Amino acid sequence: EDQVTQSPEALRLQEGESSSLNCSYTVSGLRGLFWYRQDPGKGPEFLFTLYSAGEEKEKERLKATLTKKESFLHITAPKPEDSATYLCAVQPTTSGTYKYIFGTGTRLKVLA
Amino acid sequence: DTAVSQTPKYLVTQMGNDKSIKCEQNLGHDTMYWYKQDSKKFLKIMFSYNNKELIINETVPNRFSPKSPDKAHLNLHINSLELGDSAVYFCASSQGSGGAREQFFGPGTRLTVL
Repeated sequence: EDQVTQSPEALRLQEGESSSLNCSYTVSGLRGLFWYRQDPGKGPEFLFTLYSAGEEKEKERLKATLTKKESFLHITAPKPEDSATYLCAVQPTTSGTYKYIFGTGTRLKVLA
Repeated sequence: DTAVSQTPKYLVTQMGNDKSIKCEQNLGHDTMYWYKQDSKKFLKIMFSYNNKELIINETVPNRFSPKSPDKAHLNLHINSLELGDSAVYFCASSQGSGGAREQFFGPGTRLTVL
């Protein structure tokens, strides 16, 4: 069964303290892996799409990487405004192009 | 310019009532979705529509009926509401098929069933 697991569930960092969020996935075939940011009371906001193992994408303090079993979201020198829930989702090849499976997210709190 | 909009933002109702949530996207996308996010923030897909045609129905009770009058709109009607229907419902859209496409989400509708 296709599955996505994110860890840790929650993470508290001091401002400037770099860390990584993990997204482990099990799919028979991967069409794409997505990272989203969700602020309280809002809908998820798209960050990155990764398509194949070895791929990396960067945006400001965020860098996403992908292997055949997991993806990492690296946060370098985070700021309080990076506090949010970060969601990972996969789009399996076996389910057509219209199904996405989300993880339960990592709640990140960055303290000033 | 709001890309994906939903109404209402909040919905409080009694058990057994019927309610609807409306969604509109102005991105020109051809695929729209409904998701349910529970209290633990787990986001689960309910329906996918491509060019007004139902593609995915993820074991959702028959009390939930989506309707897509055109490619820009996807509404969700819920009959005989139950306590377990309380959640945040998100509409989303994406463009195209045949590849990995990012989704754009609306602001959500928080449904509370009393």
